[in-house]
Amino acid sequence: NAGVTQTPKFRILKIGQSMTLQCTQDMNHNYMYWYRQDPGMGLKLIYYSVGAGITDKGEVPNGYNVSRSTTEDFPLRLELAAPSQTSVYFCASSSRQGDLEAFFGQGTRLTVV
Amino acid sequence: GDSVTQMEGPVTLSEEAFLTINCTYTATGYPSLFWYVQYPGEGLQLLLKATKADDKGSNKGFEATYRKETTSFHLEKGSVQVSDSAVYFCALLMDSNYQLIWGAGTKLIIKP
Repeated sequence: NAGVTQTPKFRILKIGQSMTLQCTQDMNHNYMYWYRQDPGMGLKLIYYSVGAGITDKGEVPNGYNVSRSTTEDFPLRLELAAPSQTSVYFCASSSRQGDLEAFFGQGTRLTVV
Repeated sequence: GDSVTQMEGPVTLSEEAFLTINCTYTATGYPSLFWYVQYPGEGLQLLLKATKADDKGSNKGFEATYRKETTSFHLEKGSVQVSDSAVYFCALLMDSNYQLIWGAGTKLIIKP
């Protein structure tokens, strides 16, 4: 089972460049999330989605955008990358029913130089 | 607002020692409680959970009991191994909005 798949695993961006972090899940989950994890810190919610066509801001949305055109995909867009966006990014998904467990991707390590 | 507080790390123990990682929460409703583990270089994965008061979650020798009276969900293990070295996150899930609220994480280091 694939679960939650994130690409790329690593990326180096120059200041001002843009990129899209891809996230796909094959569990038919309603809820999807994007988090960032700075070194030695916990998770901060960037954006989340409760279903296709519905997205909402989390704790730290500035500098990011998302879309949810399908149940499976939840890409995160970085516009005008800044050094403060250097972090590890995790995508996660969960079901509204059942055991409520959140499933995480392997993460994307992004460095902005 | 809802919040989760974990003991600060790193916690350093010798192999076979007893482990406790404290977690307390603040919530207005009746949350579900979780412990997630993050091994080096990996994403988070669910370790155990409890969905109502007095429930005990257990997995891989770890246990945690949902204590409503003390609003706590402390993680315990009787005898840790080097392979338990990881970062442990306590989290709560409100059934009103299905948002996960995360603690800051506790890094556990087990020395042989």
